Amino acid sequence: DAKTTQPPSMDCAEGRAANLPCNHSTISGNEYVYWYRQIHSQGPQYIIHGLKNNETNEMASLIITEDRKSSTLILPHATLRDTAVYYCIVRVGAGNQFYFGTGTSLTVIP
Amino acid sequence: GAVVSQHPSWVICKSGTSVKIECRSLDFQATTMFWYRQFPKQSLMLMATSNEGSKATYEQGVEKDKFLINHASLTLSTLTVTSAHPEDSSFYICSARDIGGPGYGYTFGSGTRLTVV
Repeated sequence: DAKTTQPPSMDCAEGRAANLPCNHSTISGNEYVYWYRQIHSQGPQYIIHGLKNNETNEMASLIITEDRKSSTLILPHATLRDTAVYYCIVRVGAGNQFYFGTGTSLTVIP
Repeated sequence: GAVVSQHPSWVICKSGTSVKIECRSLDFQATTMFWYRQFPKQSLMLMATSNEGSKATYEQGVEKDKFLINHASLTLSTLTVTSAHPEDSSFYICSARDIGGPGYGYTFGSGTRLTVV
């Protein structure tokens, strides 16, 4: 029941900014946008979340368009350890469940 | 920050036997926990929502008699795969919600790799 669309894969040069897009055109007014990442054979790790305003923390920045139909996760200086699958999630069910989409597999290249 | 511990991290069992996976919230109480399954090169699929003191809510297509969930305390939920078969081999991940944590506190365990032979 995921309501997000992400490119299946992306490459990024080490040290450069990685910009990961996500489309969520059917997002509701009270639904947050969450970003998690999953490194191979580990559980997902929280990165950032937002509702309307752009957000920044020690890991990343989240840019949400004014109409909230899309967002971009920015890793400002990608390292090899950022190689992972990145999930954009906007669907939170009636019981606060997370439904994962297919995600973007980011490969940081030396 | 909130930590969710899963045990075991991997398990191999014979076909027809049952396997129990534990999910513990280490430094917070979780009235709700979630169980996911992930096949190789696929995304996480929500299996069920585990509610402390009540029955779990299963997603459509998930057999509740095969995947038994017990959430007897505010810090522990268990998933038992009964009469396991090779097609049940997968990566099982739990998640718990700490309302005081970042991102509304959806913290994930490190997962359990189940192999049924």
